[in-house]
Amino acid sequence: AQKITQTQPGMFVQEKEAVTLDCTYDTSDPSYGLFWYKQPSSGEMIFLIYQGSYDQQNATEGRYSLNFQKARKSANLVISASQLGDSAMYFCAMRVEGYGNNRLAFGKGNQVVVIP
Amino acid sequence: DVKVTQSSRYLVKRTGEKVFLECVQDMDHENMFWYRQDPGLGLRLIYFSYDVKMKEKGDIPEGYSVSREKKERFSLILESASTNQTSMYLCASSPPGAGGPLDTQYFGPGTRLTVL
Repeated sequence: AQKITQTQPGMFVQEKEAVTLDCTYDTSDPSYGLFWYKQPSSGEMIFLIYQGSYDQQNATEGRYSLNFQKARKSANLVISASQLGDSAMYFCAMRVEGYGNNRLAFGKGNQVVVIP
Repeated sequence: DVKVTQSSRYLVKRTGEKVFLECVQDMDHENMFWYRQDPGLGLRLIYFSYDVKMKEKGDIPEGYSVSREKKERFSLILESASTNQTSMYLCASSPPGAGGPLDTQYFGPGTRLTVL
């Protein structure tokens, strides 16, 4: 079974600073995809960024980037230049390619609070 | 833009009532999912469906059933609601698992259900 681990306690980060959210995963399949989602207090899950297991480069999307270390099975999310609107829960998720049906395994999330 | 809607944002029901949570997506996605989200536990998959009238149990199906009579609609049913089913319920949809970021799941706004 696939497993995603997010163990950091709630984090406070100063506005305009960078923050790194840890995610480790466990799978024996060679082909998989990793997703990060943001959930603000409104409740809706928002897709942020994706990293495929065979991607040669770390994924980037605007202020979001992934520090993907395949050998360590970690996919940490880096948010640069934090903004007040970044305050949210952040979830890491994994899909095993070929599993079918796009089923995802989610971590328990990291709470981020950005302070002015 | 993909749109996933859920019938209610907030719902209060009595123990023993039959509860229907409705989810509709407008992107012709094959896959649809129901999760429940509880503090400290992250998202847990209840049921998913990969086609009309097809369903598969997720990690915590006990006490729930689902129905998918039309491709765009996926219903979660609590046959006899209990207080331990008080939770946030999230619906999601996605295209088939062809691989890559486009296969991300798209989430609805969630339904916060309270069972008294």
